[in-house]
Amino acid sequence: KAGVTQTPRYLIKTRGQQVTLSCSPISGHRSVSWYQQTPGQGLQFLFEYFSETQRNKGNFPGRFSGRQFSNSRSEMNVSTLELGDSALYLCASSTGPTNTEAFFGQGTRLTVV
Amino acid sequence: KNQVEQSPQSLIILEGKNCTLQCNYTVSPFSNLRWYKQDTGRGPVSLTIMTFSENTKSNGRYTATLDADTKQSSLHITASQLSDSASYICVVSASNTDKLIFGTGTRLQVFP
Repeated sequence: KAGVTQTPRYLIKTRGQQVTLSCSPISGHRSVSWYQQTPGQGLQFLFEYFSETQRNKGNFPGRFSGRQFSNSRSEMNVSTLELGDSALYLCASSTGPTNTEAFFGQGTRLTVV
Repeated sequence: KNQVEQSPQSLIILEGKNCTLQCNYTVSPFSNLRWYKQDTGRGPVSLTIMTFSENTKSNGRYTATLDADTKQSSLHITASQLSDSASYICVVSASNTDKLIFGTGTRLQVFP
């Protein structure tokens, strides 16, 4: 059974650009959550999608957005990139609400220069 | 405010030794507590999940304990191996929200 797949693994962007990250959950999982991980802040919750609907949202500015498709694949978009957006972005999938076990992908390392 | 605090922030031990990592939380109402292992540059991998009624749960050389009264958990690693070098993250879920609250992790380094 394939795990959670995130693409791309690494990305370098310049300030002001926008970026789209992709996450393919484990087959049969309908919930996808996104997290930002930085050395100083640890893992910070961005948002969660379940059956194409955003169920929860963390405390991030509107530049961070996401969506989920009918096949449960999810994308997150960051517009007008800032240096502080450099981080490891992790996606986790689960069968349902976050009280069930979550399986993480390997992450996308975004560097903003 | 829902918070999860871990200690120590970092730990260095010799191969073969045991160690214990701590997690204190103020999350309420409590639903479950998870321990994850995260190798550098990779996604976290679940070690254990414990609900309110569970005091101890083991996964190989990893044993987690939970005291829901004092809101404390520990992760004990027995006979450490070089491959145990990683960050260990404590995560708590509240039953009135679907969000997970993450601790900042303990960075463990095992030296030969």
